[in-house]
Amino acid sequence: QSVLTQPPSASGTPGQRVTISCSGSSSNIGSNTVNWYQQLPGTAPKLLIYSNNQRPSGVPDRFSGSKSGTSASLAISGLQSEDEADYYCAAWDDSLNGGVFGGGTKLTVL
Amino acid sequence: EVQLVESGGGVVRPGGSLRLSCAASGFTFDDYGMSWVRQAPGKGLEWVSGINWNGGSTGYADSVKGRFTISRDNAKNSLYLQMNSLRAEDTALYHCASSGAEWELALWGQGTLVTVSS
Repeated sequence: QSVLTQPPSASGTPGQRVTISCSGSSSNIGSNTVNWYQQLPGTAPKLLIYSNNQRPSGVPDRFSGSKSGTSASLAISGLQSEDEADYYCAAWDDSLNGGVFGGGTKLTVL
Repeated sequence: EVQLVESGGGVVRPGGSLRLSCAASGFTFDDYGMSWVRQAPGKGLEWVSGINWNGGSTGYADSVKGRFTISRDNAKNSLYLQMNSLRAEDTALYHCASSGAEWELALWGQGTLVTVSS
């Protein structure tokens, strides 16, 4: 059971906008910033969004993040086939004094 | 080239030990904290351990506390994870990653596979 809660799956058709939610608590998302990672099949995770809504260099602006209270979300607009991957949210947890991840959301592009 | 390369994984019996290494190149290693993150086969990501830039502060997941020890050698641009009393549930691909100020893991290695089996 992961500390952060994500839906196990999401889907959309090319061009659509999809969102992935991430729910936590006051000790993690409520107190610290949220980061999002994309893991393509057979590869290492890649930082997609950091500090709730910042994109590292090279990440398309189709990807955006937001946070409100103890929840966060990742939005992908103009969905493309290459976006098919697993997506993880993550945050530092002050109570555990460690990092915590969501269980991951498998995005399927129909 | 900016990269992290892990090594040291393998097959070990329950109760055994392994030492993982992570070699950093292409960036100023001692500017960053570092983390180990593992992924069991077919499962999600799990933070295992972290260390600050000079090794003065470390942290562990409850699942490995007392069994694993993280360390670093900035002179060698290297990160380590000493794993003792290994259990079947420690079987996973172990990644090292650089940590930013907001615990953003910006750079990841490809991982080294640890299999604990009798």
